[in-house]
Amino acid sequence: AQKITQTQPGMFVQEKEAVTLDCTYDTSDQSYGLFWYKQPSSGEMIFLIYQGSYDEQNATEGRYSLNFQKARKSANLVISASQLGDSAMYFCAMYRYNQGGKLIFGQGTELSVKP
Amino acid sequence: DGGITQSPKYLFRKEGQNVTLSCEQNLNHDAMYWYRQDPGQGLRLIYYSQIVNDFQKGDIAEGYSVSREKKESFPLTVTSAQKNPTAFYLCASTRGGNQPQHFGDGTRLSIL
Repeated sequence: AQKITQTQPGMFVQEKEAVTLDCTYDTSDQSYGLFWYKQPSSGEMIFLIYQGSYDEQNATEGRYSLNFQKARKSANLVISASQLGDSAMYFCAMYRYNQGGKLIFGQGTELSVKP
Repeated sequence: DGGITQSPKYLFRKEGQNVTLSCEQNLNHDAMYWYRQDPGQGLRLIYYSQIVNDFQKGDIAEGYSVSREKKESFPLTVTSAQKNPTAFYLCASTRGGNQPQHFGDGTRLSIL
């Protein structure tokens, strides 16, 4: 069965420090993708970063980078230089090719940035 | 600006009542999705549609119905058969493939 696991229900980080949010996945597919979304308290889901299973380089988008370790089936999100506005829920999601674009979401990690 | 509009923002349902949540997008996306989010949980897929006049059940379709008569619209009806409808509902769309899904601002549904 396809599954996403986020083992950290809550995390704290000091402003300006880096933080890593964990995500492990379970799939027998060869082709898949991994997304990270941010959900502020207002509720909308904001796309952060994407990594394809065949991408050789780790994805980066500004202060966000994805530490992709395919053999370990992990896709951890790294946020550098945390800001107060980074406080939110963060969700890891897996995309399966030929499955209608469906995403499987993890339970999420609540990140709190302390001043 | 292109985006996804969900309405209403808050909705209350009486016992035995059907309610419809609206989702409209002007991104010219082919695929649209409805998710349910319970407190402290991830998103679960209710229904999705890859093309007009076609849709498929997701993981938790029981008690819900949808239609896709126009490319830009994908309304969700929460029927009286859904015994625990209180949740946050999110609509999303994508161009397809591995393109990221764009989400609306959500509708919070509660029982009166």
